[in-house]
Amino acid sequence: DAGITQSPRHKVTETGTPVTLRCHQTENHRYMYWYRQDPGHGLRLIHYSYGVKDTDKGEVSDGYSVSRSKTEDFLLTLESATSSQTSVYFCAISADRDQPQHFGDGTRLSIL
Amino acid sequence: AQRVTQPEKLLSVFKGAPVELKCNYSYSGSPELFWYVQYSRQRLQLLLRHISRESIKGFTADLNKGETSFHLKKPFAQEEDSAMYYCALGVTGGGNKLTFGTGTQLKVEL
Repeated sequence: DAGITQSPRHKVTETGTPVTLRCHQTENHRYMYWYRQDPGHGLRLIHYSYGVKDTDKGEVSDGYSVSRSKTEDFLLTLESATSSQTSVYFCAISADRDQPQHFGDGTRLSIL
Repeated sequence: AQRVTQPEKLLSVFKGAPVELKCNYSYSGSPELFWYVQYSRQRLQLLLRHISRESIKGFTADLNKGETSFHLKKPFAQEEDSAMYYCALGVTGGGNKLTFGTGTQLKVEL
């Protein structure tokens, strides 16, 4: 398995609170991604990064922000969590734009 | 915009029977197609990539540009094949972003 660690693995929080999810990689891969997985929707891209401090929006970016201050860490922040953001969040990495993506174990986030 | 369609939410087959998981895509450019598999309580794993044209765990998939399909096939299903399968479309020049289908749960019964 690729060296990808997501933290926390599970989190329950309340509506309106800020939440930060962390993805840490030990592969020194350039690209990192955040997806959410919901029943009936599969996985949808939230944001991705193509280098330190270089990020771009995905399909479902509203309500989310990201930061990448070093190669190994990619943070996903929900500034003010809503119940619609209850989901399983996956981080993925790839060495370059023509290389396949490898996924972490996921974070199960519940917003009450 | 690109789209991936997996028409079956659940596919149930008997052990030893052939398996075909359907995937159709919509994209005006040159597509890159993948199959990912998620076994129970495990992370999503890359199963196949169309450009590599290899067979993994007995599974194969052929890109049919005329029919815009990338169906996953295996001649004889095994119990350990039970999992969720996702078809994904990569967009050339799109930063390697993937568009996923909604997934098909394969259940192999004894």
